[in-house]
Amino acid sequence: EPEVTQTPSHQVTQMGQEVILRCVPISNHLYFYWYRQILGQKVEFLVSFYNNEISEKSEIFDDQFSVERPDGSNFTLKIRSTKLEDSAMYFCASSEAGGDRGENEQYFGPGTRLTVT
Amino acid sequence: AQKVTQAQTEISVVEKEDVTLDCVYETRDTTYYLFWYKQPPSGELVFLIRRNSFDEQNEISGRYSWNFQKSTSSFNFTITASQVVDSAVYFCALSAPNTGNQFYFGTGTSLTVIP
Repeated sequence: EPEVTQTPSHQVTQMGQEVILRCVPISNHLYFYWYRQILGQKVEFLVSFYNNEISEKSEIFDDQFSVERPDGSNFTLKIRSTKLEDSAMYFCASSEAGGDRGENEQYFGPGTRLTVT
Repeated sequence: AQKVTQAQTEISVVEKEDVTLDCVYETRDTTYYLFWYKQPPSGELVFLIRRNSFDEQNEISGRYSWNFQKSTSSFNFTITASQVVDSAVYFCALSAPNTGNQFYFGTGTSLTVIP
C-alpha cells in the first residue's frame, strides 16, 4: 500500500541552525501539508501546498518557515533559524484531491522528531 | 472558525470493557469532514475513519463504531471489547473546503487499556 515517507525520523540541531525536513508524498497525490505536534499537545496545521504554491498557512508558519517541492517527488519544510520552541514532531501529509471533491482523506507520514538544543 | 473539542484527556479501562471517546465540533460550514486518527506510542498518525457532513449514517468496523449526530455536533467513537493494543492517543479532526481543507485537531484522548 502506498505511504507517505519522511526523513530523517529524528533530527537534533542547535538553536539558530537551519534544518530541512523531507517528505515523499504518495505519488499520485496533488495536495501536500505540514503539521506540527509539540510533545503532549495537539496536532497543529502549518501549511498546505498545491500546484507548486502555498494555498493556506497558519499563524505559526512565519518567515522562518518555507516549503518547497524541488522535484517531482520530494516535499520539504525548511526552518531557517531554529528556536527552542520549534522542538516538536513534524508530520507531512498528502491527499489525492481537495475537500470540495470529497476526496479529502489525508495520509500522514510517520513524522520527524525535531529536537532543538 | 472551526473547533474540535475532546473533553476527555485520559481514560483507563480494563481489557474487554467498552469505551466511548467523545468528540464535539463547531463549524459554520455546511460541507465539512470529520476524522478519527489513532496515535500509538510509536508516534505515527493512523487514519481510522472519515465522515462527510451529509452522511449521518453510523458506521461499524469490527470492534470500532462511530456515532455521528449533527443535532449535537458530535462524532463519538466507541471501541467494543477493548484490547491492550488499543492503548493510544486518539484524535478527532475536522476539515472544510472553506478553510482550505486544513485539519483542525482536538487535543486528543489518551486511552490506556489495562490487561
